[in-house]
Amino acid sequence: GENVEQHPSTLSVQEGDSAVIKCTYSDSASNYFPWYKQELGKRPQLIIDIRSNVGEKKDQRIAVTLNKTAKHFSLHITETQPEDSAVYFCAASLNTGKLIFGQGTTLQVKP
Amino acid sequence: DAGVIQSPRHEVTEMGQEVTLRCKPISGHDYLFWYRQTMMRGLELLIYFNNNVPIDDSGMPEDRFSAKMPNASFSTLKIQPSEPRDSAVYFCASSLYPGQGYEQYFGPGTRLTVT
Repeated sequence: GENVEQHPSTLSVQEGDSAVIKCTYSDSASNYFPWYKQELGKRPQLIIDIRSNVGEKKDQRIAVTLNKTAKHFSLHITETQPEDSAVYFCAASLNTGKLIFGQGTTLQVKP
Repeated sequence: DAGVIQSPRHEVTEMGQEVTLRCKPISGHDYLFWYRQTMMRGLELLIYFNNNVPIDDSGMPEDRFSAKMPNASFSTLKIQPSEPRDSAVYFCASSLYPGQGYEQYFGPGTRLTVT
């Protein structure tokens, strides 16, 4: 079955710097790759997603890139702010609705 | 819409007791998912339903866990008997059919503590 590996497990950056989180997936048939943000004590919430027919997608300060050949995708956050501090999860999905999540990255943005 | 609703929000029970977690998905969503989140194992999919039918229960830890969806607006996850290692946050999520959009909307979660 599908397996998703996420790195790093923790990431600390200075406010204003960029943050990059990387994920790899095992099943080349996966075609949907969302990213969820989970603040402490809250539920995971979708922040951006990308489909396999697109190489890059951007929404204000966040962007996601996908390399289908290498089977990896990344989340980029520019001009980080303290409110970006949270746990970020990547996921991959076949055309079944089932998401396989990575282990999560705890991002700390230091003021 | 109120979003995905879960109850109770917190549950503390003793080992050996039965625990029932409840979920009301967003109206019109065809898919319902149950997840378990722990520090050690992260976010694990336990089971998911499509149109009230269980599709994949390969993530259910063992026979002590069972899930039902008697209708489109209600699902339960039951643990009987409960054990301390079942302590976790249990999330329910729902989504539309994948052909229309994959986003899964999570409920607020139920924090279960088994002593």
